[in-house]
Amino acid sequence: SQKIEQNSEALNIQEGKTATLTCNYTNYSPAYLQWYRQDPGRGPVFLLLIRENEKEKRKERLKVTFDTTLKQSLFHITASQPADSATYLCASRRDSSYKLIFGSGTRLLVRP
Amino acid sequence: GAVVSQHPSWVICKSGTSVKIECRSLDFQATTMFWYRQFPKQSLMLMATSNEGSKATYEQGVEKDKFLINHASLTLSTLTVTSAHPEDSSFYICSATRGLAGNNEQFFGPGTRLTVL
Repeated sequence: SQKIEQNSEALNIQEGKTATLTCNYTNYSPAYLQWYRQDPGRGPVFLLLIRENEKEKRKERLKVTFDTTLKQSLFHITASQPADSATYLCASRRDSSYKLIFGSGTRLLVRP
Repeated sequence: GAVVSQHPSWVICKSGTSVKIECRSLDFQATTMFWYRQFPKQSLMLMATSNEGSKATYEQGVEKDKFLINHASLTLSTLTVTSAHPEDSSFYICSATRGLAGNNEQFFGPGTRLTVL
């Protein structure tokens, strides 16, 4: 079955460093991947979408890559700030439908 | 634009009672709305897809008679958890797409924390 996997261990980094989060997918080839931010007790907030024919996409301090060979997307936050601390979710369309499947998310902690 | 609200933000109820959760798109018409459930430290799991004016489509394993969904207008969908039990305690989140369901972006509500005693 189609799966999206993210590292369940929290990522703990120092303020100012670059955070890199990983999303791996198996058993399918998504046309795109999405990244969301979720704060405790809140719904996800859309950040970026990258299509399979795009290698990289940027938005301010955020950068997402899509490697169809490795079946992986990397999500980078440069010059990280404590306010970036949250859980980041990777999601993709499920098979050919419009439904989304989500990874379990990776919690990012940025220390001041 | 593209704001989705949910009401209530949290609810505590006794076992056996029913709880209704509302999902509204505030500044756009949502042809399709989705209902998710999220347990602590787990992924969002899709429960059902709701289209305005038609019956909801439920995911495998989700009881349609227990989780009643009504999408009465282009801006409102409701989820009613009937005869709630402690195992129904979870974080319920709705989302909506603007226009056709095939659009890539879903706009999520802030979620509703349900606790069943």
